[in-house]
Amino acid sequence: AQTVTQSQPEMSVQEAETVTLSCTYDTSENNYYLFWYKQPPSRQMILVIRQEAYKQQNATENRFSVNFQKAAKSFSLKISDSQLGDTAMYFCAFMGTGTASKLTFGTGTRLQVTL
Amino acid sequence: DAMVIQNPRYQVTQFGKPVTLSCSQTLNHNVMYWYQQKSSQAPKLLFHYYDKDFNNEADTPDNFQSRRPNTSFCFLDIRSPGLGDAAMYLCATSRPGSLYNEQFFGPGTRLTVL
Repeated sequence: AQTVTQSQPEMSVQEAETVTLSCTYDTSENNYYLFWYKQPPSRQMILVIRQEAYKQQNATENRFSVNFQKAAKSFSLKISDSQLGDTAMYFCAFMGTGTASKLTFGTGTRLQVTL
Repeated sequence: DAMVIQNPRYQVTQFGKPVTLSCSQTLNHNVMYWYQQKSSQAPKLLFHYYDKDFNNEADTPDNFQSRRPNTSFCFLDIRSPGLGDAAMYLCATSRPGSLYNEQFFGPGTRLTVL
């Protein structure tokens, strides 16, 4: 079974600064997908960024980028130029390549962006 | 816009009184999921439907049932809610074979058990 670990329960960053959220995972599969989801206080889960394991290039979406280290099974999220609207719970998630596309979530990191 | 809709957004029920939560989607996705999310915890998958095929997670209590009458709708039935069932219930959908098999989430239904 896969496991996803987020070792930072809470983090804080000042507006306009950069913050990195950590995520490690464990799997015996060679091909899989990794995701970062954002859950703002209104609580709708929104996809932030995704990475395919067979792609070496790190995914980037505007201010969000990942550092994917497959050998180390690490998948960190970097948020540049943090904005107040980035305040949310962030979940790292793993998906294997089975037909049901089931997600395994980490325990989440609560990010607070301050003025 | 295509989306995942959950009704109601807030549901209050009494201990032991059956309750049904609803999810609908306009994405025409094959797979629908139900998650339970307790305060400050990760979502926990209860079960999912792949088309009409029902797949229960091994540790999902028997108290939880689900129905999917058609592609668009999926229901979560809690037969005898206990205080420990108070949580946010999230519905999600996906289309296997799509580029990333991404799951799309609804806004959730917050269940309170009195």
